[in-house]
Order: sequence, then structure tokens, then C-alpha cells
Amino acid sequence: DTGVSQNPRHKITKRGQNVTFRCDPISEHNRLYWYRQTLGQGPEFLTYFQNEAQLEKSRLLSDRFSAERPKGSFSTLEIQRTEQGDSAMYLCASSLVPTTTGFSALAYEQYFGPGTRLTVT
Amino acid sequence: AQRVTQPEKLLSVFKGAPVELKCNYSYSGSPELFWYVQYSRQRLQLLLRHISRESIKGFTADLNKGETSFHLKKPFAQEEDSAMYYCALSGRDSSGSARQLTFGSGTQLTVLP
Repeated sequence: DTGVSQNPRHKITKRGQNVTFRCDPISEHNRLYWYRQTLGQGPEFLTYFQNEAQLEKSRLLSDRFSAERPKGSFSTLEIQRTEQGDSAMYLCASSLVPTTTGFSALAYEQYFGPGTRLTVT
Repeated sequence: AQRVTQPEKLLSVFKGAPVELKCNYSYSGSPELFWYVQYSRQRLQLLLRHISRESIKGFTADLNKGETSFHLKKPFAQEEDSAMYYCALSGRDSSGSARQLTFGSGTQLTVLP
């Protein structure tokens, strides 16, 4: 399977513990996104990277949330001191974004992973 | 700020009937609009985008800038169309590069036999 992969698929943790999720994008994709999805809602954008640079992080829900993409390949999302309200599905997506002009808009399609379901007890 | 509204949480139609899933958006610039679909136990995947103006699985969607709408339509629904459908908007930053997607809350479509 050459699609976006996420690990673990499920995580159950106790309130106050730290958790870390991993996302492996499609190999040639330079942009990587993190979203959170709660029950009955659409995915909510958290942050994104272009290669190793984190271009937007103001949407991270609190300073307990942080993300890295150290070598421009896989990414990790960490939640410190988890709270019950953090329980959700965490989605990762990747895309190939043009770095030169004249590229087709088709390059902007985001490919989603299966998600990591977090349950905080 | 950008916002996407899908007014119907649930929509049921009979097989062979026309279906329309509504989507309205709010965005100050020129948006790119998408429809994503999630079938049972599968990951979110792109169904279609307004730029390509193509029909996927019989679905079409027209961007109406005057009404700020991007409704998804299919003339004859099939049982395999049953899924969760999300409308999404992508704005562009100052460099012209498309940014993150803003999703609506989704519409669960059920096509009855």
C-alpha cells in the first residue's frame, strides 16, 4: 500500500498522559497536514508542513499540541497532558504542491490516511 | 475567515431517484471547492473538485459564486453511493499556494433499495 499510513490506529490513554502519533505520507509528497475530527463533525485543520518547515501552527488547539517533521518525510503529532476533550480521530493528509509556476491545480489534492483514534479515559 | 455549511446531516433517497447534497461557503477570495467522500470503514477520499469540472461516479457539482454554493448532484442514485459526504474549501495564501482544507460537517447519504 503506497498511500498515507498512520500509527497507531487506536490509542487509549489516561488523562494526563502524553501521546504521540506518527504519519508517513506518500513518498514524493512535499506537504503534510494534520486534522482532528470529532464525532459528527468534519475534519478540523491543525497544522501543516512543507517539507520540514511548519508553515502554519496557529490552529493547534493549545500549547499542549505540537508537531514535527524533522527530515521532511514522516511527521509526529504529540499531545501532552491529555484531557478527555482530546478524544477524537486524528487524520493526516499529504499532497504534492508546486514549487514552480505553471503546475496543474490537480497537484493540490490531499490524500488522507486512515486516522488514529484517541480515547482519553 | 472561511466557512463551509452543509445544512443536512442525514439524507435518504430511493435507488434511482435524483440526489442533491447542499453546500454553501463563505470566503473572501477565490476559493477552490471540493467534495470528499468516506465510505464505510474506508478513508476519506476526493470525489471531485470544481476546477476540473469532471463527473465522477455520475456526480457533478457546479460552483455558483453568486449564491456561494457548490451543491453535489447525481441524477440517479445507486445503493453504493451510500456514504458520508464532505464539502471542503481551500483558500490561497499570499504566495498563491493553496492552504489547508476547511470542511463542512458532512451529510450522511443513504440510498434505499
